[in-house]
Amino acid sequence: DAKTTQPPSMDCAEGRAANLPCNHSTISGNEYVYWYRQIHSQGPQYIIHGLKNNETNEMASLIITEDRKSSTLILPHATLRDTAVYYCIVRVYGNKLVFGAGTILRVKS
Amino acid sequence: DGGITQSPKYLFRKEGQNVTLSCEQNLNHDAMYWYRQDPGQGLRLIYYSQIVNDFQKGDIAEGYSVSREKKESFPLTVTSAQKNPTAFYLCASNLNRDDGYTFGSGTRLTVV
Repeated sequence: DAKTTQPPSMDCAEGRAANLPCNHSTISGNEYVYWYRQIHSQGPQYIIHGLKNNETNEMASLIITEDRKSSTLILPHATLRDTAVYYCIVRVYGNKLVFGAGTILRVKS
Repeated sequence: DGGITQSPKYLFRKEGQNVTLSCEQNLNHDAMYWYRQDPGQGLRLIYYSQIVNDFQKGDIAEGYSVSREKKESFPLTVTSAQKNPTAFYLCASNLNRDDGYTFGSGTRLTVV
């Protein structure tokens, strides 16, 4: 599975959109982009995943560039409860999830 | 409600002792996984099982053992051979290879 690069930390004002970037320049055609988040001392929570089209669910939107070398997770109206570590993972269906260090998102009032 | 239950939430162990962490799921998921997390780091895979009575080593299996006698259960034993067992342990499962994972709430193991 391809490696991903994420910024170590980001801040976001409460109520504003949080845009979390992820680079995956070596992604191959059959690899999906997954996003999970982990609130302190809890198990990771699945957020969203996609292959090449943009995806949206009740939690977030996933924007994948046309060349698929990078993506952005968007939390449209961040709240204090969105403060967490966000993991971007690239994975072939059927392979194990491999977690990197992720991005610490701090939502501030 | 369906989910994954890990117990206990906190566990203290003396050096040289084996200890078993419980993971039970009622989601009818085929695959189950054990991860370890150290402070400030991502998760690392210890063992995983795609089907009952079968399991494979992950990236850091040394000093650990597992069993998968029932679909619902995937206990992890931390043996005395594990040099640095103090960590946060997370269990996960998924229905088939295409699904996202569901995680338990974790067990924090401390060696005293």
